[in-house]
Amino acid sequence: DAKTTQPTSMDCAEGRAANLPCNHSTISGNEYVYWYRQIHSQGPQYIIHGLKNNETNEMASLIITEDRKSSTLILPHATLRDTAVYYCIVRVANSGGYQKVTFGTGTKLQVIP
Amino acid sequence: GAVVSQHPSRVICKSGTSVKIECRSLDFQATTMFWYRQFPKQSLMLMATSNEGSKATYEQGVEKDKFLINHASLTLSTLTVASAHPEDSSFYICSAGGQGGLRFFGPGTRLTVL
Repeated sequence: DAKTTQPTSMDCAEGRAANLPCNHSTISGNEYVYWYRQIHSQGPQYIIHGLKNNETNEMASLIITEDRKSSTLILPHATLRDTAVYYCIVRVANSGGYQKVTFGTGTKLQVIP
Repeated sequence: GAVVSQHPSRVICKSGTSVKIECRSLDFQATTMFWYRQFPKQSLMLMATSNEGSKATYEQGVEKDKFLINHASLTLSTLTVASAHPEDSSFYICSAGGQGGLRFFGPGTRLTVL
């Protein structure tokens, strides 16, 4: 799996957009970008993933640069409940479910009232 | 989305006790499940890959005789911490794979060994 680099921590004002960057300069053509988050004392939660096109769902938007070497997760209107550690993971997608997932250190997002 | 459950959510035990943690995939079958351990203020560390009907695969540095894994069915994997000691106190999380490379995670089990 390609290595990712994320800022250690970020603050965001409640109600504002939170933009979380991730660098993955060694990403391969068949690797997807996945985002998970972990709220304190809970298991990680899947947010979104993409290959090269921008993606949006009810939780967030994912913007992937044209060269795919970096991406940004956008939480359009951050709430206090979005305070969590956000993990960017790059890996090959497969349908078998047998490939292990390793986590980096992630970005600790603190949403401030 | 798919749901993965864990039981118990929290356990406190005396040193030397063996503790079993169950991980279930509730609405899908998982031939492979994964066990992670997380110490305070650290990221998740993969411990082992649990394979239904065969032996688990352990990550380097994880003692297979200490962390016993049984994946007896397509919806259940168990992790037994044998003769737990205070240094085994941690947050244990299981994960199972779905279609398209997605991973679903259990809510975690907080183990405290006194």
